[in-house]
Amino acid sequence: EAQVTQNPRYLITVTGKKLTVTCSQNMNHEYMSWYRQDPGLGLRQIYYSMNVEVTDKGDVPEGYKVSRKEKRNFPLILESPSPNQTSLYFCASSPGTGGRQPQHFGDGTRLSIL
Amino acid sequence: DAKTTQPPSMDCAEGRAANLPCNHSTISGNEYVYWYRQIHSQGPQYIIHGLKNNETNEMASLIITEDRKSSTLILPHATLRDTAVYYCIVRVGSSGSARQLTFGSGTQLTVLP
Repeated sequence: EAQVTQNPRYLITVTGKKLTVTCSQNMNHEYMSWYRQDPGLGLRQIYYSMNVEVTDKGDVPEGYKVSRKEKRNFPLILESPSPNQTSLYFCASSPGTGGRQPQHFGDGTRLSIL
Repeated sequence: DAKTTQPPSMDCAEGRAANLPCNHSTISGNEYVYWYRQIHSQGPQYIIHGLKNNETNEMASLIITEDRKSSTLILPHATLRDTAVYYCIVRVGSSGSARQLTFGSGTQLTVLP
């Protein structure tokens, strides 16, 4: 089954404790992206990757890192999490970067930073 | 990307067609109309997209007006599981673009038993 898998689905942690949210897709997609969703603000893009070893900042990259060493994986790293990073996070992928390519989303990761 | 306007909420009786409108009066010639939905904090789900012709797939139909300034998503036989927030998005179709999807407020569709 074609899917985007995120782990963990839920995480409660404390300020400053490094964490990684993994994202994996099994569709051989070139493009992957991370969004965060907050009430009243919609989905905002954090980082995206157009292919292996190619990453770039989205609209809200501060406090986050990503890497794309393999095509299927695109982990989101919070080196020193803070409470303002408490949010619902989604990973997405698509075959390419053109506007005709629909994006496939994971089921989300709900992070709470205390 | 062109801005879209959708009603904030709609109700539909189970088994009836749900018609969700979207205005995109500033759409340009190379922008596609996309529809996604999000069921209660799950990941957004792609439904359908089109440029200027009407489109149909197993989930829905998309009707785009001739001037492309508005469109309607039709769920032909709505079920309770179709209750979700529906997002209409317009996006440039050219390749090489890494533009994100811009989700507005969407329409909360509630299917009533």
